[in-house]
Amino acid sequence: DAKTTQPNSMESNEEEPVHLPCNHSTISGTDYIHWYRQLPSQGPEYVIHGLTSNVNNRMASLAIAEDRKSSTLILHRATLRDAAVYYCIVHSSGSARQLTFGSGTQLTVLP
Amino acid sequence: GAVVSQHPSWVICKSGTSVKIECRSLDFQATTMFWYRQFPKQSLMLMATSNEGSKATYEQGVEKDKFLINHASLTLSTLTVTSAHPEDSSFYICSASEMDRGGYNEQFFGPGTRLTVL
Repeated sequence: DAKTTQPNSMESNEEEPVHLPCNHSTISGTDYIHWYRQLPSQGPEYVIHGLTSNVNNRMASLAIAEDRKSSTLILHRATLRDAAVYYCIVHSSGSARQLTFGSGTQLTVLP
Repeated sequence: GAVVSQHPSWVICKSGTSVKIECRSLDFQATTMFWYRQFPKQSLMLMATSNEGSKATYEQGVEKDKFLINHASLTLSTLTVTSAHPEDSSFYICSASEMDRGGYNEQFFGPGTRLTVL
């Protein structure tokens, strides 16, 4: 799995957008970019994934740099329930494989 | 989305006893399940890969005789912590993917099991 670098922590105000960055300069051409989040005392939860193009789903958007060496997870309107550790993971997903979790970004949402 | 359950959600046991944790894929079949361990304030660490019908593959530093994994069916994997000690107290999480049909394989995580060894 390619190494990823994320800020240890970020803060956001409730109902404001949040941009969570991730650097993955050693990404290979077949690697997907995955984002999971983990709420306190729960298992990780899938947020979004992408390969080359920007992606949107009901939870978030994923903006992928043109050279794919970085990406940004965008929460359009943060809520208190979005407070969690967000993990950016890069690996090939051609087959079921274990995920390598880094330290992630602890997002705090302020009321 | 697919659901993965774990049982129990928490367990407290005495030192020296064994504890079994179940991981089930409720609405899909999983040939491969993964077991992770998470200590407080730390990230998830992969312990082992559980393959249906074959022996589990353990990560370096994980004792296979202490953490017994059985994947007897396409929907159930169990992790048994044998002769548990206080240092085994942790949050144990399993995950599973649907059978590989090519393309993207999302992993679904269980809610975790909190083990406390007294």
